Amino acid sequence: DAKTTQPNSMESNEEEPVHLPCNHSTISGTDYIHWYRQLPSQGPEYVIHGLTSNVNNRMASLAIAEDRKSSTLILHRATLRDAAVYYCILRDVDTGGFKTIFGAGTRLFVKA
Amino acid sequence: ETGVTQSPTHLIKTRGQQVTLRCSSQSGHNTVSWYQQALGQGPQFIFQYYREEENGRGNFPPRFSGLQFPNYSSELNVNALELDDSALYLCASSSRPWRGETQSFGPGTRLRVL
Repeated sequence: DAKTTQPNSMESNEEEPVHLPCNHSTISGTDYIHWYRQLPSQGPEYVIHGLTSNVNNRMASLAIAEDRKSSTLILHRATLRDAAVYYCILRDVDTGGFKTIFGAGTRLFVKA
Repeated sequence: ETGVTQSPTHLIKTRGQQVTLRCSSQSGHNTVSWYQQALGQGPQFIFQYYREEENGRGNFPPRFSGLQFPNYSSELNVNALELDDSALYLCASSSRPWRGETQSFGPGTRLRVL
């Protein structure tokens, strides 16, 4: 199965951009890349996803490397509410059925 | 729009017992996935249900089983509980079983096995 690797933690100042990296060197051609975040005592919350092209939404941007072996979640202006664990996830279907692979997550600390 | 709900919120069982966790999917969603999240770790995919059938499974033994009902709600059953089964169990629903589909997660059920 494909696997994702993320830094354990990162720190940012409020109002500054944050770039959260994810390595997925064994990604298959059909894996979608998803990012979710999880606040304490809550279930994960959707942030953004993509397949090959860079993606933007109101929460963030997703930059996907040309070879798709890595991606970066970009929060354009971090706020205190963005402090959470961010998960890089691969979702695919193979002969065994549907698969979802979560990384270990990056804990983002935001300083005021 | 009603979000994903799970019951119970907390549960304590002893080793060897059986447990059933329940999930109501978000309105309009027909696909349900279950995840196990040990303390301090990322969620691990257990399985996914669509049209009342399992259509994907992670590396979990057969004592982890599930059901999906015609109203798209779901149950996770775990037999012969082990201490390592202590975890937060998350349910997530989506509008179709597609790799590019987003999921809505419930708040989870915290299971403690003594």
